[in-house]
Amino acid sequence: AQSVTQLDSQVPVFEEAPVELRCNYSSSVSVYLFWYVQYPNQGLQLLLKYLSGSTLVESINGFEAEFNKSQTSFHLRKPSVHISDTAEYFCAVSDNLGGSSNTGKLIFGQGTTLQVKP
Amino acid sequence: GAVVSQHPSRVICKSGTSVKIECRSLDFQATTMFWYRQFPKQSLMLMATSNEGSKATYEQGVEKDKFLINHASLTLSTLTVTSAHPEDSSFYICSAAPRTYGYTFGSGTRLTVV
Repeated sequence: AQSVTQLDSQVPVFEEAPVELRCNYSSSVSVYLFWYVQYPNQGLQLLLKYLSGSTLVESINGFEAEFNKSQTSFHLRKPSVHISDTAEYFCAVSDNLGGSSNTGKLIFGQGTTLQVKP
Repeated sequence: GAVVSQHPSRVICKSGTSVKIECRSLDFQATTMFWYRQFPKQSLMLMATSNEGSKATYEQGVEKDKFLINHASLTLSTLTVTSAHPEDSSFYICSAAPRTYGYTFGSGTRLTVV
């Protein structure tokens, strides 16, 4: 069975400071890893994903995450946060890439609330 | 592309009534959709996997008769909360995986049972 652990439930940080949101996973098979962001009363938006290839993946809004197989981690980082980054962030794992024949499940971590202060 | 539409966004119902939530894939076909439940300040818990043309697969601990799932077409899955009670109040989110890059989520439905 797969599981995801987000080590920090809340991360307060000042604007323009760097931030790291931690994520560890466990799985007995190959995994695909995702970070999602959720704003209040909204669905989830894909932030970035690791499927294969380069272990460092980046999003268009400055976030990056690095897949570390030996440490079973997929931590999310941003060198300088903005007020608008305040949201709930979820790390997720799947053993399936999806598509028309997808029968896989997406397993979520507990979530981390990023609070960016002015 | 790859948009999942969920309706309604908010619903308030009386205890004992049933509520139907719709999840539509707008620009792709989804043989499989997923229903999640989220309590305040908590993570998403997978409730069931909705399979087009067949029975849904429920996760352990989820009452099949309470949460009825119908996936009658390749673009529509519905979740019906039957005989709703206040403890069913929650945020329900559906998702689908249109292609091999991950999952797309609906905007969620806030259910309040009074």
